[in-house]
Amino acid sequence: KAGVTQTPRYLIKTRGQQVTLSCSPISGHRSVSWYQQTPGQGLQFLFEYFSETQRNKGNFPGRFSGRQFSNSRSEMNVSTLELGDSALYLCASSLAPVSGNTIYFGEGSWLTVV
Amino acid sequence: QQQVKQSPQSLIVQKGGISIINCAYENTAFDYFPWYQQFPGKGPALLIAIRPDVSEKKEGRFTISFNKSAKQFSLHIMDSQPGDSATYFCAASGGSNYKLTFGKGTLLTVNP
Repeated sequence: KAGVTQTPRYLIKTRGQQVTLSCSPISGHRSVSWYQQTPGQGLQFLFEYFSETQRNKGNFPGRFSGRQFSNSRSEMNVSTLELGDSALYLCASSLAPVSGNTIYFGEGSWLTVV
Repeated sequence: QQQVKQSPQSLIVQKGGISIINCAYENTAFDYFPWYQQFPGKGPALLIAIRPDVSEKKEGRFTISFNKSAKQFSLHIMDSQPGDSATYFCAASGGSNYKLTFGKGTLLTVNP
């Protein structure tokens, strides 16, 4: 069974540009969440989608957005990139958004903003 | 407000020793406490998890101890091996909010 797949794995963007990251969850998983990982702040929750609906959102500015498609695949978008957006962006999937359900992470997308 | 506090930030242990990482939480609605292990260049992977109805859970060399009254839980790695060298994150979820709230992580180095 394939794991959570994230693309692209590495990318470099210029300040002011926008970026779109893609995530394919484990087959059968309908819940997808996104986390930002940085050395200083650790793992921080961005948002979570279930059945194409955003159910939960972390404390990030409106420049960060996402969506989920009918096949459960998800994308996140960051507009007007800032240097501080440089981070590892992790996508995670689970069967359903229920506490206690195992959340499986992908290997992440490394974003560098220059 | 950091809802899950993890310590220590880094830990160096000799091969064969016991590694202990501690976490404390504030939200009494939390009802699920997983530990994740992350190797460089990889995403976090679930190591072991516990619910508050038990005080201890053991899987191989890894044990979670849970103290509900103190709102603390810890990870013990027995007979630590160099291959255990990684960053360990505690997390918690529960209540109306199933998202994981993570601790800041502990970088474990096991010297041969």
